[in-house]
Amino acid sequence: DTEVTQTPKHLVMGMTNKKSLKCEQHMGHRAMYWYKQKAKKPPELMFVYSYEKLSINESVPSRFSPECPNSSLLNLHLHALQPEDSALYLCASSQDYPAVTGELFFGEGSRLTVL
Amino acid sequence: RKEVEQDPGPFNVPEGATVAFNCTYSNSASQSFFWYRQDCRKEPKLLMSVYSSGNEDGRFTAQLNRASQYISLLIRDSKLSDSATYLCVVNPGGGSQGNLIFGKGTKLSVKP
Repeated sequence: DTEVTQTPKHLVMGMTNKKSLKCEQHMGHRAMYWYKQKAKKPPELMFVYSYEKLSINESVPSRFSPECPNSSLLNLHLHALQPEDSALYLCASSQDYPAVTGELFFGEGSRLTVL
Repeated sequence: RKEVEQDPGPFNVPEGATVAFNCTYSNSASQSFFWYRQDCRKEPKLLMSVYSSGNEDGRFTAQLNRASQYISLLIRDSKLSDSATYLCVVNPGGGSQGNLIFGKGTKLSVKP
C-alpha cells in the first residue's frame, strides 16, 4: 500500500464546478508535488512545495490552485476546468527538495473527468 | 532532440526471456538517473537508481553510459508480474535540479 493517500480516487465535475483534490503523507517528508498524467504519457510536474512553501509552479493555469496547509497535507483546488484537463492527478512526496535520491513516493492518484 | 527518449514498445516476451530497454538523454550535465515502474492504472514506483558502475538487484541490472548518454535496464528470467511500463527518469541538475524528467515509458508485456 502506498504511504501517500489521495482522495477522491475518482471525480467527475462540470466546467462550472469547484472541487478539491486532497493528499496526505505521514512519512515526515518535507517536499510534496502535484503531477498530471494523461493516458500513455509520462507524469508532468505541476507544482512543488518545500517546507510548506510553493517552490515550483510549472506555468500551470490559474484554474488549478494548490494549497499546503501543513507539512503533511497538500490540496489542489479546481475551478472552471476544461474537458482537456481530464487526467490522472498524482500527488508525490520526497524527503527533501530537490529529491537527490530520486525517490518520489506517489499516491494512487485521483482520476478526474471534466464534462 | 527530446530530453529523455525511450522506445515505447510494447515489448512482448515469453516468460523466462531476457529483455533490455534503453533510454537516451540530451543533457550531458544530467546528475542522476533512475528507473521507475508503473503498472496499468497505478502510480509510478521507484525500481532502482542507476550508478556509473552499474548496479544489480536480483533479476534487474541497470547501467549508465555517460559518454553515449544512455541508460539501460536488463531484466532476466522475465515473470508475468514484470508486465508494466518502465519509465526512465533523469535528474538534469543545474538550475532545474530536483525537477525530475520522466521519459514516456516502455511497455513490457510478459506472456505465459
